[in-house]
Order: sequence, then C-alpha cells, then structure tokens
Amino acid sequence: GAVVSQHPSRVICKSGTSVKIECRSLDFQATTMFWYRQFPKQSLMLMATSNEGSKATYEQGVEKDKFLINHASLTLSTLTVTSAHPEDSSFYICSARDIGLADPREFFGPGTRLTVL
Amino acid sequence: TQLLEQSPQFLSIQEGENLTVYCNSSSVFSSLQWYRQEPGEGPVLLVTVVTGGEVKKLKRLTFQFGDARKDSSLHITAAQPGDTGLYLCAFFKAAGNKLTFGGGTRVLVKP
Repeated sequence: GAVVSQHPSRVICKSGTSVKIECRSLDFQATTMFWYRQFPKQSLMLMATSNEGSKATYEQGVEKDKFLINHASLTLSTLTVTSAHPEDSSFYICSARDIGLADPREFFGPGTRLTVL
Repeated sequence: TQLLEQSPQFLSIQEGENLTVYCNSSSVFSSLQWYRQEPGEGPVLLVTVVTGGEVKKLKRLTFQFGDARKDSSLHITAAQPGDTGLYLCAFFKAAGNKLTFGGGTRVLVKP
C-alpha cells in the first residue's frame, strides 16, 4: 500500500524555538496533504489542508502564523511550529491523498511527537 | 458538538470476549470509514462502508452500516491482545474535501 513518512518521529525543544516537521509520500503523488493534531487519549483534530502550489487552508481556531505549512512539491509538505510553547506539545500526524486513485482515500503518516519544555 | 459520537469511550475486556463499538450521528453519510490506531502510530484504514444496511467482515471484525446511513458498528469476535488500540470512525466531508473523525473508542484486550 501507499506509504507516508514523517520526520522526525519525536522532537523535544525549548519554549520559544521553532520546529519543522516533514511529511512525505514515498511512492505516490499527493496534491493534497492534511495535518492533524492529537492530544493524549483524544481523537484526531484537523488543523489544516496543505495544497501543492497554493496556500494552506486552516481550520477554525488554528493560527496560520503559528503553524506554517509549505507544500513545495507533490511529495512533500512541511509544518513549522513557530515560537513553540508547552501547550503545543502534542502528537502531529499528516496524511496524503493519492491523486492517482478515484476514491479520496487518505494515507496516514506514523506521527511526530512534539514535546516543548 | 461532535458530528460523530462514538461509544463507549473506553472498553477493557479479557482475551476471547466479544465487543462492539458504536458510531452514531444525526446526519446521513454517503460513506463511513473505520480506522485503528496503535499507540505512537498513525491510524490505519480498516474498512469503508457505503451502502445502507451493508455488512463487511474482516477476519474477526464485522462492520455494519445502518439502514439510514446515520450510524455504524464494529463488532470484534474473540478479541485478542493484538486488537488493542484506538478505534476511530470517520466520514469524508465532500464540501471542504476533508475527513472528520469521531471521538474514538479506546479498546484494551487483556491476555
């Protein structure tokens, strides 16, 4: 099946620093990728839709200046958490939609655990 | 307010027992998806149900889509410790082109 990777798998940073998370579709092209955030024992909450070649679409309540998204190619989207604070600590998961498939199936990455000290 | 309500939120059972997880809504869906997520990993798609009344089986897992396409259930027969995980139902919102998840059911199968 289609594979989506994320890097890094876990990161610990100091408060006030910025962290970049990469999401790659390894064996397919994705014009659309999605970024989710998941707090402990909770479900996935969509943060934003990343569109190749255009601006990301953010969900209500998600600060676009804090969570910068860049979808530079058909296989790579990056999420940068700027000026991270302890409340940004969470599990960040990306997904990618294969443009070659007729149905809108999403393939999920393994997630990145961010801990902000 | 969650568009998709899952129940129970948490379920702990012994190996060999059966369990059922429910996903309910007041909305009608063209399809529903079920995922399983293990700790520290991303969710993995188990099945997509499309037709009202549809029943799909995946080994010991049985998925049912309600006749009115507003609810769905997942039944696991003779649960095993490997079934432990977070079970999520989700629907694809065509308007907005995005997937919306229910709150999830955490299942723990004890050996």
